[in-house]
Amino acid sequence: QQQVKQSPQSLIVQKGGISIINCAYENTAFDYFPWYQQFPGKGPALLIAIRPDVSEKKEGRFTISFNKSAKQFSLHIMDSQPGDSATYFCAARGGATNKLIFGTGTLLAVQP
Amino acid sequence: GAGVSQSPSNKVTEKGKDVELRCDPISGHTALYWYRQSLGQGLEFLIYFQGNSAPDKSGLPSDRFSAERTGGSVSTLTIQRTQQEDSAVYLCASTLTPNTEAFFGQGTRLTVV
Repeated sequence: QQQVKQSPQSLIVQKGGISIINCAYENTAFDYFPWYQQFPGKGPALLIAIRPDVSEKKEGRFTISFNKSAKQFSLHIMDSQPGDSATYFCAARGGATNKLIFGTGTLLAVQP
Repeated sequence: GAGVSQSPSNKVTEKGKDVELRCDPISGHTALYWYRQSLGQGLEFLIYFQGNSAPDKSGLPSDRFSAERTGGSVSTLTIQRTQQEDSAVYLCASTLTPNTEAFFGQGTRLTVV
């Protein structure tokens, strides 16, 4: 019940295209859903986050769509750029210790 | 400091040796987390500190792993009698309060040979 399932494992997108990464969770106590971006040799950095009281949040080219009834959320990267090539992790948090539970990651490659 | 600082950035150790990994969280951050990231894998939770106490140690994989935090600031993760399967990147994160944004350090890459 603590798992967050993420797909796809890897993704190749052409420059200018839309990248879509999906996550699903089971624990209804989760109340915070961030996405992290990680470049090789670096720690994860927060990209965008959403709480379950809204269905969508947009920041620049990055959008989170959230479906509470389906217990799913997704990251959309519009107009994908080669500089977006990185590993993306979804995560969820909720409960007494507020620890983040991470998905297994998606390696995104944006081809020029 | 400006961000979460971890040291060393890289550590190569022989199987059976003990290692200590250090994390300096962002000043004023009350919560601190340790995660482990194996090659090509997600982030595995190890332990959470609120102040100097650890209310959640559920992710520590064995009794060879321990961690402490002093002065509500610096934390040390200790791995005793290291094994090859301990090889991974160990990441530390801190948050101002338990339900705010988590900031990660760059990690310590541990290689056990």
